[in-house]
Amino acid sequence: DVKVTQSSRYLVKRTGEKVFLECVQDMDHENMFWYRQDPGLGLRLIYFSYDVKMKEKGDIPEGYSVSREKKERFSLILESASTNQTSMYLCASSQVGLSTDTQYFGPGTRLTVL
Amino acid sequence: DQQVKQNSPSLSVQEGRISILNCDYTNSMFDYFLWYKKYPAEGPTFLISISSIKDKNEDGRFTVFLNKSAKHLSLHIVPSQPGDSAVYFCAATLSYSGGGADGLTFGKGTHLIIQP
Repeated sequence: DVKVTQSSRYLVKRTGEKVFLECVQDMDHENMFWYRQDPGLGLRLIYFSYDVKMKEKGDIPEGYSVSREKKERFSLILESASTNQTSMYLCASSQVGLSTDTQYFGPGTRLTVL
Repeated sequence: DQQVKQNSPSLSVQEGRISILNCDYTNSMFDYFLWYKKYPAEGPTFLISISSIKDKNEDGRFTVFLNKSAKHLSLHIVPSQPGDSAVYFCAATLSYSGGGADGLTFGKGTHLIIQP
């Protein structure tokens, strides 16, 4: 079974703090994704990566950056957290190739920015 | 502009009856569609998918129908069970982007409630 793990289930940070959300997958997937889920807005793509050190902006990249130094790990960074970044953050991974490959999601990190 | 729309935020269905969840899309380039199911405090899990070369795909109690001319797809669950209570997300993508991969474009979700 594919396993996608996220470093924290719940996180509380203060405005202006630098926040790191970590995601690790154990299936040697090339593609990794970060989404955020907000009530009434569904899931929105922040960034994705199709290879080590490669990254592509998604639909809402503003205020975020990412890092992929190793194939299995994809980090989402909030350089200076703001209250509007309070959300559920979901990481996903999929095999290389067509985007029809199923994405497997982690359990999510509920981030609250005070 | 929302490219994938789920216009019903919630749906209540009696156990044993059919649940029909609807999804519309505006981007005619989308050619692959997926449904994900999400329980509270868990990540979404893949449920079923359909390519635009088909108009129906079935997997057990779950069937997805695609009407390309109407840019509409629906998920049918028969019979509905209490464990089906969850939020269902419709998602769409472009299958040609091989090599790399684009993220999925999700709808806002429909909260399905199965009543005993």
